[in-house]
Amino acid sequence: NAGVTQTPKFRVLKTGQSMTLLCAQDMNHEYMYWYRQDPGMGLRLIHYSVGEGTTAKGEVPDGYNVSRLKKQNFLLGLESAAPSQTSVYFCASSGTGGKNEQFFGPGTRLTVL
Amino acid sequence: GEDVEQSLFLSVREGDSSVINCTYTDSSSTYLYWYKQEPGAGLQLLTYIFSNMDMKQDQRLTVLLNKKDKHLSLRIADTQTGDSAIYFCAEKRDAGNNRKLIWGLGTSLAVNP
Repeated sequence: NAGVTQTPKFRVLKTGQSMTLLCAQDMNHEYMYWYRQDPGMGLRLIHYSVGEGTTAKGEVPDGYNVSRLKKQNFLLGLESAAPSQTSVYFCASSGTGGKNEQFFGPGTRLTVL
Repeated sequence: GEDVEQSLFLSVREGDSSVINCTYTDSSSTYLYWYKQEPGAGLQLLTYIFSNMDMKQDQRLTVLLNKKDKHLSLRIADTQTGDSAIYFCAEKRDAGNNRKLIWGLGTSLAVNP
């Protein structure tokens, strides 16, 4: 099992450009999450999904959109990138067991100039 | 991370014990977790404790939970340079179906030879 994978690993954008980050998991997990990690801010939840075809807002959803068309994939879109979106983005997934362990991808380092 | 608090930095000498502390606010928390993030990587579950337990030991790791004071600690015995990482405390609250975790800001552990 590959676990949780993210593409791309690194990306540099100019202000106003758009891009999509892809997260894929092969553990048949129902729940998927997108976080951003910034120095001194810990992990902040952007959007999450409780199952295929569903999405919900987290703490910091503005400027981002998501889609979960297939159970194994969770896409994070930036329609018009801003320098404030420079961050490291992590995707995670979890199953339906009580422990709710979240499995994380390796991260995408995004710089917006 | 405002509901889960951790100190930001800890420095220890190799071979000493490390103790990382965390406080949380919600008495309805069911599971409490310690995640480890090595440089340039995603988070990985290190250990967890169910809220009806006081202590859990797993090799060099000891988790103590004081429910009255809402205090969680992680003790790493015989700390090694490979333990240098950021350690995140997180709690799971039973709040409907969203299965979100509430995260601390992370404690950066530096192990000096």
